[in-house]
Amino acid sequence: DAGVIQSPRHEVTEMGQEVTLRCKPISGHNSLFWYRQTMMRGLELLIYFNNNVPIDDSGMPEDRFSAKMPNASFSTLKIQPSEPRDSAVYFCASSGGASETQYFGPGTRLLVL
Amino acid sequence: KQEVTQIPAALSVPEGENLVLNCSFTDSAIYNLQWFRQDPGKGLTSLLLIQSSQREQTSGRLNASLDKSSGRSTLYIAASQPGDSATYLCAVTRLGNAGKSTFGDGTTLTVKP
Repeated sequence: DAGVIQSPRHEVTEMGQEVTLRCKPISGHNSLFWYRQTMMRGLELLIYFNNNVPIDDSGMPEDRFSAKMPNASFSTLKIQPSEPRDSAVYFCASSGGASETQYFGPGTRLLVL
Repeated sequence: KQEVTQIPAALSVPEGENLVLNCSFTDSAIYNLQWFRQDPGKGLTSLLLIQSSQREQTSGRLNASLDKSSGRSTLYIAASQPGDSATYLCAVTRLGNAGKSTFGDGTTLTVKP
């Protein structure tokens, strides 16, 4: 398996623009997680899905952030409008099957100018 | 609210030394605990997962232990190598919150040749 796939790997945008991050989980996994990592706050869980249904979105910082999982093989995290304080590395992870181990993607490094 | 602490924040050792990384958590009602490795600019790689009913897990030169009553876990690395240099994070999943993990800030390990 190719592992968790994220795109784009790097994104540079200007404040106020819409940003869409994409994730393809490992085939057969039924849980998907979106995390944000910064030097100041470490690794934070933003939202997680189970069987395509959002279970806990209490980590989503504000209404500018939204996440969807239209099917078992695809999820998006959208920021609209983006702000400089959203600059971070955003990770997607998935888990499922017999193992509860979370497998992380390579991350999307976002810079909002 | 679960809090996860990793001390020290950074550790430097000569090659060949055995070492222990520490992780402490405030709420002992956990579902599992996972140790990850993160290389600079990369995603997280799962090393070991310990279920709440287990005391330890081993993989190669790595051994992780769990003591729920004291709220502690340790990651033991035997015969350290320069390739072990990375940041090591522990993540605790609380009972009743399956899938929602709280991460420590990590210990950055440098193994000098």
